[in-house]
Amino acid sequence: DAGVIQSPRHEVTEMGQEVTLRCKPISGHDYLFWYRQTMMRGLELLIYFNNNVPIDDSGMPEDRFSAKMPNASFSTLKIQPSEPRDSAVYFCASSPTSFANTGELFFGEGSRLTVL
Amino acid sequence: AQSVAQPEDQVNVAEGNPLTVKCTYSVSGNPYLFWYVQYPNRGLQFLLKYITGDNLVKGSYGFEAEFNKSQTSFHLKKPSALVSDSALYFCAVRETNRDDKIIFGKGTRLHILP
Repeated sequence: DAGVIQSPRHEVTEMGQEVTLRCKPISGHDYLFWYRQTMMRGLELLIYFNNNVPIDDSGMPEDRFSAKMPNASFSTLKIQPSEPRDSAVYFCASSPTSFANTGELFFGEGSRLTVL
Repeated sequence: AQSVAQPEDQVNVAEGNPLTVKCTYSVSGNPYLFWYVQYPNRGLQFLLKYITGDNLVKGSYGFEAEFNKSQTSFHLKKPSALVSDSALYFCAVRETNRDDKIIFGKGTRLHILP
């Protein structure tokens, strides 16, 4: 099993540019979560999907952030326009249906974003 | 809303000594509780969970955690620390019968000294 795959692993961009982060969950998993990790705020839940439907996006910091899951094997997190304070490591995690009873998440390796 | 507190940013332990990483939580209902570990430049890995039943939960790599409902705590423990246990540890909580959100603490960096 390939695990959760995220791309790019590293991105350096300039303020004002659009950033798109990608995630391929583990096949058969129907929950997908986006988290952001910073030194100051730790690990924050941004949004999560169940069966490709966004369930809770209350953690999305502002309208500059958007996330989509067009099918069961792909999700994107977009920041437009990007700002230096968006610099962080963004993690995608997936989980199977049994998550409802277990809660175990399977994390990708993360995308480290630096906005200059 | 549920929340998690890890009161220590860093814990230093000599190799071979027992270790404890502290976690307290707040939920209005019954909790699911988790510990995850993160090694440098990697994603988080699941260590163990408490769902129901025995208050002492055993997990990967010799770690265990004790659920204490009266103190709303879920401290991570290991009887004898290894240098390879050095990593960032996260406690997380999910409120049962509410939604699917898992909320993480800020993390505790564990240093095992040779």
